[in-house]
Amino acid sequence: DAGITQSPRYKITETGRQVTLMCHQTWSHSYMFWYRQDLGHGLRLIYYSAAADITDKGEVPDGYVVSRSKTENFPLTLESATRSQTSVYFCATYGGRGDAKNIQYFGAGTRLSVL
Amino acid sequence: GNSVTQMEGPVTLSEEAFLTINCTYTATGYPSLFWYVQYPGEGLQLLLKATKADDKGSNKGFEATYRKETTSFHLEKGSVQVSDSAVYFCALSISNFGNEKLTFGTGTRLTIIP
Repeated sequence: DAGITQSPRYKITETGRQVTLMCHQTWSHSYMFWYRQDLGHGLRLIYYSAAADITDKGEVPDGYVVSRSKTENFPLTLESATRSQTSVYFCATYGGRGDAKNIQYFGAGTRLSVL
Repeated sequence: GNSVTQMEGPVTLSEEAFLTINCTYTATGYPSLFWYVQYPGEGLQLLLKATKADDKGSNKGFEATYRKETTSFHLEKGSVQVSDSAVYFCALSISNFGNEKLTFGTGTRLTIIP
């Protein structure tokens, strides 16, 4: 199906474990973003990518690693999960042209609990 | 830096009531302004946008006007429905060589009761 998909939708892990959240898009949009959503903070940008092999830090990057070897995929890795990383994570894309200009498209989110 | 301040929630209204959710912003330069909506269990989706001063964005009966003089982008709807129950986020972006990074407000949870 066309669009943006995130997996898994729900994940429970333990402190210190490595976790990877997946994001896949079928539009070939250049830009992709990772946000976390926490009560009282809204959405905060973790990392973003302007194209394959180009990534940059957002507002809250500590404890996270990203890669983008292919345009369509933008995985987010928590190298050693901490309880403070319990959150809902959203991936988004941005096409930047025509009718898609100024619009970000969001996945359904991954709810991560770190015990 | 850029920031968005929006009305604290939660907001509970009866069906057919008038809705206003306040949003003000601080930005360097000339931002584009957005309202995104998040229905239960889903990701965010764009509700409406305005890209320059005095523009009015509208969609699904919702409206918001870009007011540069008051740095505001308040969301309004004349008659809400139960299906409007969701979390609403005000956001802005400053175009930077095509990189439209969004700055979000904290969100306002709206519940409409029949």
